[in-house]
Order: sequence, then C-alpha cells, then structure tokens
Amino acid sequence: AQRVTQPEKLLSVFKGAPVELKCNYSYSGSPELFWYVQYSRQRLQLLLRHISRESIKGFTADLNKGETSFHLKKPFAQEEDSAMYYCALTSSGNTGKLIFGQGTTLQVKP
Amino acid sequence: NAGVTQTPKFQVLKTGQSMTLQCAQDMNHNSMYWYRQDPGMGLRLIYYSASEGTTDKGEVPNGYNVSRLNKREFSLRLESAAPSQTSVYFCASGDVALAKNIQYFGAGTRLSVL
Repeated sequence: AQRVTQPEKLLSVFKGAPVELKCNYSYSGSPELFWYVQYSRQRLQLLLRHISRESIKGFTADLNKGETSFHLKKPFAQEEDSAMYYCALTSSGNTGKLIFGQGTTLQVKP
Repeated sequence: NAGVTQTPKFQVLKTGQSMTLQCAQDMNHNSMYWYRQDPGMGLRLIYYSASEGTTDKGEVPNGYNVSRLNKREFSLRLESAAPSQTSVYFCASGDVALAKNIQYFGAGTRLSVL
C-alpha cells in the first residue's frame, strides 16, 4: 500500500538550530515526493519537490530510495519557519492524486 | 488571479442538515480535489475529478457527494451532516501536464457539525 509517515507530530527547536523533519514512504515504483507547508492563517502551499532538487527558503530534501525517506532539512532555523509541514507523494496512475503524511508542526523558539 | 476560491470560510450545522461547499479555480487546471484535514490524520482525499465530467472516490468518500459543474467549479455536498464530519475542508486544483503534479489549495472551509 502507498503510505507516507511523518513520525513527529511536533518538533520544537531554538532559532539558529538545525532542523530535520522526517518523512518515510512506502510505494512500489518510482515515487514523486513533495513537501507542502501551511503557515499560520495561510493556505497550504508547495515548498519543494524532489524532482526539482532545489533549495527553497534554505530547506532541502533528498530522496533516499534505499531508506524510502525524504527528510526535510535546514541548517539554521528561523522563527518564520514555524508552520505545519506535510510530506506527500503522488499516487500511481496519472491522476495527480497526492497521499499526505500526518503532518509535523515545527515550532521555532526565539 | 485568485487561484482557488472556496466558500464559505466557516459554517456551523446541526446534525442531519445538508450543505454544499463551493470551489472554483481560475488556472485552467483539468483536475480538482477535495480533502479534509483532521488533527493527527493529515489531509485525506474525499473525492477528485481528473477532468471535466468525471469524478472518483478518494480515501474517505462516505457521507459526501461531488459535482464537477464545469472546468472551473467542483462542489462538495454533505446530504445529512454528522458530527464526524466536523473538519477543515480544502479544495485543490492541479494539472498533471501543465503543473506537473503540483496542487494549488484554497483557503479552506472550517465546518462544525453539532
């Protein structure tokens, strides 16, 4: 079965500390993986996708097929990074459907 | 360019009442989706429409119906609301070809069923 797991409901760090939000997936085939972010009182929006291999707002994520992981990392957290983060993958077929993880709330303390 | 627009933003219903959540997108996307967001559960797909004129069930379709009125609009109907349907509902649109599986979300509808 296709599944996305984010093991941490809440991750709390101090400003300037490194951040790693974990995401593991199960998928048969070649998945396409995403990180979406929801800032307070804003709509859910794409943060980055593994195909782009880009860094957005200092965040990066590397697809590790051996460990079936797509962890989101940032070397120095900022207070404005506080938000809910969702890992997602595109389900099989060409429908564009996304399967989301449970979400992790990142709290960056001053 | 408004993107994805959902109405209403908030709604309180009594058990057994019906209502329709409206969603419209102006990005000319083929696909549209309805999700519900519950604490600890993430976003779960209720229904989706891969193209105008088609709809399919997602992970949690029971108690809901949808209508893809035209390419722009995709509505979600609760025929007889239940407290278990208290949630935040998000509409999204995307286009596998144009937007490469990226979905664009509305601001959400917060629904309480008493």
